[in-house]
Amino acid sequence: ETGVTQTPRHLVMGMTNKKSLKCEQHLGHNAMYWYKQSAKKPLELMFVYNFKEQTENNSVPSRFSPECPNSSHLFLHLHTLQPEDSALYLCASGQEAPLTGELFFGEGSRLTVL
Amino acid sequence: EDQVTQSPEALRLQEGESSSLNCSYTVSGLRGLFWYRQDPGKGPEFLFTLYSAGEEKEKERLKATLTKKESFLHITAPKPEDSATYLCAPLGSARQLTFGSGTQLTVLP
Repeated sequence: ETGVTQTPRHLVMGMTNKKSLKCEQHLGHNAMYWYKQSAKKPLELMFVYNFKEQTENNSVPSRFSPECPNSSHLFLHLHTLQPEDSALYLCASGQEAPLTGELFFGEGSRLTVL
Repeated sequence: EDQVTQSPEALRLQEGESSSLNCSYTVSGLRGLFWYRQDPGKGPEFLFTLYSAGEEKEKERLKATLTKKESFLHITAPKPEDSATYLCAPLGSARQLTFGSGTQLTVLP
């Protein structure tokens, strides 16, 4: 138990569906992250929420939409995805100010797009 | 642009056979170098932070070291439960971790 909980653990969706991934952290951290992990590729940072400010990787397609209603909850809204979006989506939390690279990851949501 | 290369991609060891994993990096304004362990079907788990060249950290059979261009993860007398993918990630002036592709370690009994 890392203190970061992700749901669902597995998700299969068609290209026209809309779904959301949820993440909750119980560690009192002030930053939350979405990472994408594809086979044989490095972890790719998608979005960061720090003190409610969002920072995003400019290469992330607009079909991925994050939402951070408070410091403990993070969502990733998915719509009209492509098969190449199939991957493991990892949520993490950490402490910024001062900045630390020590992140706590959830177990991930395995997404399959048909 | 920050870059990280880990080698080898995969490593198979017999139980008790010591070895090292390499992480080469090019980062502007290094703030720290982080090692993580990832088991299949799980998220990465934090292991170590190294802040400056010459620093070493140890945890059980693992020892991490840092130079200005590389970090090594030494595994002494590994056991099957050490089997996992080991990820390194420098943190630079861009204020975001840059993860390597990892080394998949298999320790055979």
